[in-house]
Amino acid sequence: SYELTQPPSVSVSPRQTASITCSGDKLGNKYACWYQQKPGQSPVLVIYQDTKRPSGIPERFSGSNSGNTATLTISGTQAMDEADYYCQAWDSSTAVVFGGGTKLIVL
Amino acid sequence: EVQLVESGGGVVQPGRSLRLSCAASGFTFQDYAMHWVRQVPGKGLEWVSGISWNSGTIGYADSVKGRFTISRDNAKNSLYVQMNSLRPEDTAFYYCAKDGSKFSGWTFFDYWGQGTLVTVSS
Repeated sequence: SYELTQPPSVSVSPRQTASITCSGDKLGNKYACWYQQKPGQSPVLVIYQDTKRPSGIPERFSGSNSGNTATLTISGTQAMDEADYYCQAWDSSTAVVFGGGTKLIVL
Repeated sequence: EVQLVESGGGVVQPGRSLRLSCAASGFTFQDYAMHWVRQVPGKGLEWVSGISWNSGTIGYADSVKGRFTISRDNAKNSLYVQMNSLRPEDTAFYYCAKDGSKFSGWTFFDYWGQGTLVTVSS
């Protein structure tokens, strides 16, 4: 079955750039998306179709996807960005797949 | 404003059944695939099942295949999942989620409900 791998945690200082990776076999051939989830809240879509931002998501959130790795980049990270982030893709054999999640820590 | 409101969660004994519902509003429900996603408290997200806009395509995670049945009623703007033979490992928050693309297969989830907690315990 298809798997997506994320680092358990990423640390970043305020106003710096955070990068969260998501790895999967030939992931660049699929569309990847990203969700932000804060404690006690439902997930929120922050990036879809590799690079697109939904309405209302700040410009500091961006995405890329190539080869075996999709990346969520948060520029000028703010304390409010501290959350769990999940990548997700679709695969014909296993349908929807989520990564294990990455806790973003803003130090 | 898109709203997804789940209901039907609760405490159930192993081997018993439960039916979750999701009431949708604020968008043309019949045009979009819908999904159930679950999350064990403190753990990651797991896709459970999805159903296309016209119920023509249905998919399940291996962990629930043969035990859960997803359905929808476009006239009532509602999504359901019938969960049979429940196991302790099915304990989780269950979210209803709207697919982001019209008349399409599974893509991404642009709106999520608040979730309903299912606890399977004797």
